[in-house]
Parts: sequence; structure tokens; C-alpha cells
Amino acid sequence: GAGVSQSPSNKVTEKGKDVELRCDPISGHTALYWYRQSLGQGLEFLIYFQGNSAPDKSGLPSDRFSAERTGGSVSTLTIQRTQQEDSAVYLCASSPGQAEKLFFGSGTQLSVL
Amino acid sequence: QKEVEQNSGPLSVPEGAIASLNCTYSDRGSQSFFWYRQYSGKSPELIMSIYSNGDKEDGRFTAQLNKASQYVSLLIRDSQPSDSATYLCAVRPPNYQLIWGAGTKLIIKP
Repeated sequence: GAGVSQSPSNKVTEKGKDVELRCDPISGHTALYWYRQSLGQGLEFLIYFQGNSAPDKSGLPSDRFSAERTGGSVSTLTIQRTQQEDSAVYLCASSPGQAEKLFFGSGTQLSVL
Repeated sequence: QKEVEQNSGPLSVPEGAIASLNCTYSDRGSQSFFWYRQYSGKSPELIMSIYSNGDKEDGRFTAQLNKASQYVSLLIRDSQPSDSATYLCAVRPPNYQLIWGAGTKLIIKP
């Protein structure tokens, strides 16, 4: 596709359940980022993948959060045992390289009841 | 700690006037600077990038960079109601990922 694709666009889950969020970056983009944005707040960095390098996981808020990127393309963010404070919009962005501009997906609105 | 600071606003500007948005950063070695616009309920989109000291103009938008003073600004001329959004400043320190400001909410009043 032409842009960054995220799915699902909305996810409602019950506290304690696991969720998987998917990001399909722009073809050829080597860098992929996951951010979290709560209502009215700025972007909170979660994790960064760059090519075949080890990911920068420094932003993951707890060990309930994990992410992988298969084949240098699609990425999945997994949240285990979801909590109400995990409710937010999860944004994925990709970039042609480390110092290039980011292209954002439309995000996944996660609501934990 | 690498930081990017923005006034959260809201900044209210009359239609047709110049809107001035400012951003300061802590890492003096930063080389790349970006302004993103985010409409309510939407994802951020890049509107300007700047890498050298001075001004960079693109239509009604001008980005200004002063590395000695560690600030970057965005000017919007002839402000339109459609410019009402949150503007995010992002800075890339050397060998590091983007650092984001919390954003300034801009309101253009007709």
C-alpha cells in the first residue's frame, strides 16, 4: 500500500486479556517506531526497529509490552494482561532511514474496560 | 536527559495573522529538526524539516533554526482556521532517535 497500515483501528478488550496490534510499514522503509498517545498528551516512545539491528526497547513501560518485526517489514506490538492505564492510541510510524522523516499510520485506539 | 520543550498553549491567533510556535531542545549536537501537525483525532503529519541555521520557507510556513540558542520555531503566515491543530516539534540528537515535544495547540479564530 501507499502508506503505513495499522490494524485494528479500534480494539476494546477486558482487563487482563492480551492484545496484538499490527503495523505494516511503507515498503522499503527500514526504520519502524511504535508510540503511544493518551488523550491530549504528546507522543510516548515505546520501541524502535532499524534494519537488522537490535531494537531499542527503552520506551516499553513494563514487561507486559513486547514487539517484534518479522522479515524487516510487518511489526506486531503485544500487550499482555492489559490494564486500564494501557488505554490509549497506539501509533506506528516508518521511515526510509534513521535520520529521515516519519510517516505515521492512522493508529489503533485501544480501550481496556 | 534529552529534552524538547514546547509551550502547551492554547495559542489563539486571529485569522490572517502570523502564528509563531517555538521549541527549545537540550542536546546541543542535534542535527535534524522537524515540525509535525496533528489534527484532533488524527495522526501527526510532517510539515517542515530543517537542518541548517537560518530560515526555510515552504508556502505559508517558515521554519527557523538557531543552533547556538538551541531553539527552532515555526511561523505560519496568513493563518487560516484550517491551521488549527496541535504542532509537534521533534529533534534528532546524534546517533539517537527522535525526541518529541508535547506539542502546542494552535487555535485560529475567524
